[in-house]
Amino acid sequence: AQSVTQLGSHVSVSEGALVLLRCNYSSSVPPYLFWYVQYPNQGLQLLLKYTSAATLVKGINGFEAEFKKSETSFHLTKPSAHMSDAAEYFCAAPTAGGTSYGKLTFGQGTILTVHP
Amino acid sequence: NAGVTQTPKFQVLKTGQSMTLQCAQDMNHNSMYWYRQDPGMGLRLIYYSASEGTTDKGEVPNGYNVSRLNKREFSLRLESAAPSQTSVYFCASTAPGGRGEQYFGPGTRLTVT
Repeated sequence: AQSVTQLGSHVSVSEGALVLLRCNYSSSVPPYLFWYVQYPNQGLQLLLKYTSAATLVKGINGFEAEFKKSETSFHLTKPSAHMSDAAEYFCAAPTAGGTSYGKLTFGQGTILTVHP
Repeated sequence: NAGVTQTPKFQVLKTGQSMTLQCAQDMNHNSMYWYRQDPGMGLRLIYYSASEGTTDKGEVPNGYNVSRLNKREFSLRLESAAPSQTSVYFCASTAPGGRGEQYFGPGTRLTVT
């Protein structure tokens, strides 16, 4: 079964510093992968998605993620953190069994804190 | 275009009470999902509906029931609430033939005392 692991439940950076949030998937190469962002007291919003068209994916708000098959990873980065980036971030992959009606398996989430 | 809407936003129940969480989408999506979110556990799928008229269990279905009323609406019912069901509940939907991208509602924060 597919599992998604996010290393680090909390990440803290200074404003202007590099943001790196880690995600690894467990199963065979998924057809697509996602990063979602959740701001306090809100639902999840799609940040970016990988669809095998390109290994480097650009998303909203200056975020990007690189798919690395050899490392089974899909880490999220942003060159320079902004205070408004403070949120919880979730990595997600299709649940095993093909598209399975669009079911997704989510990682545990990483809370990003940005210090002035 | 409101996307995915959920009601209520907040609810407090006593143990043993029942309630229904409502969800609707106006994007003509086929598949809909109910998740619960608990700290450190990500989102866990409770039930899903691949299309109108069908529902299936997810990862944590015990204590819940669902109804896919029509293509737009998918409700989640707690028949006898327990403190372990204190959580934030999210409804989501995905487009026909969609490549897994789900659209989420704003959530319902439920406390069971």
